[in-house]
Amino acid sequence: GAGVSQSPSNKVTEKGKDVELRCDPISGHTALYWYRQSLGQGLEFLIYFQGNSAPDKSGLPSDRFSAERTGGSVSTLTIQRTQQEDSAVYLCASSLARVINTGELFFGEGSRLTVL
Amino acid sequence: AQSVTQLDSQVPVFEEAPVELRCNYSSSVSVYLFWYVQYPNQGLQLLLKYLSGSTLVKGINGFEAEFNKSQTSFHLRKPSVHISDTAEYFCAVTSFNYGGSQGNLIFGKGTKLSVKP
Repeated sequence: GAGVSQSPSNKVTEKGKDVELRCDPISGHTALYWYRQSLGQGLEFLIYFQGNSAPDKSGLPSDRFSAERTGGSVSTLTIQRTQQEDSAVYLCASSLARVINTGELFFGEGSRLTVL
Repeated sequence: AQSVTQLDSQVPVFEEAPVELRCNYSSSVSVYLFWYVQYPNQGLQLLLKYLSGSTLVKGINGFEAEFNKSQTSFHLRKPSVHISDTAEYFCAVTSFNYGGSQGNLIFGKGTKLSVKP
């Protein structure tokens, strides 16, 4: 597709269950970011990939959160043993090699996670 | 560490009035600054960016922002707003590390602009 694609768009789960969120970036974009958007908290950085490696994962809030990227393309964010405070919209964005050169991230429409 | 502060969480304004959305950043290195906009029920999109050169940058939909290094600010302005400008606006910063690696893009908490008729 032409844009960043995220799935599922909506996910409702029970506390304690594991969830996987998928991001398919724009073809050719080597940089991929995950952010979390919570009410009143803006966009919270989670992790950044350059190719398949993650130079910065300092934003992952706990060891229940993990992410991987394969083939320099699709990325999966996994949340284990979900808690109610994990409820948020999870945004994925991609860019050409370096944001500082292109100045632009392209965002998906997000995956809204609700933990009951 | 970098950080971004958007001083106003909500800004109500009447149509055709001017508006300024404030953004201040902190960073110990050279920065690159951005404003993104999120219209209701839509994803984020780039409004404008400052990478280098002129400190006054113009973006889409008549918005502009001025990079002020001494005041560490990058305020967003529009001389006359429209109803369609109602959205949430996010300021963001990244830096160029000396070693050549790309910095993260750090966002502020957003400012909700509400334009009333």
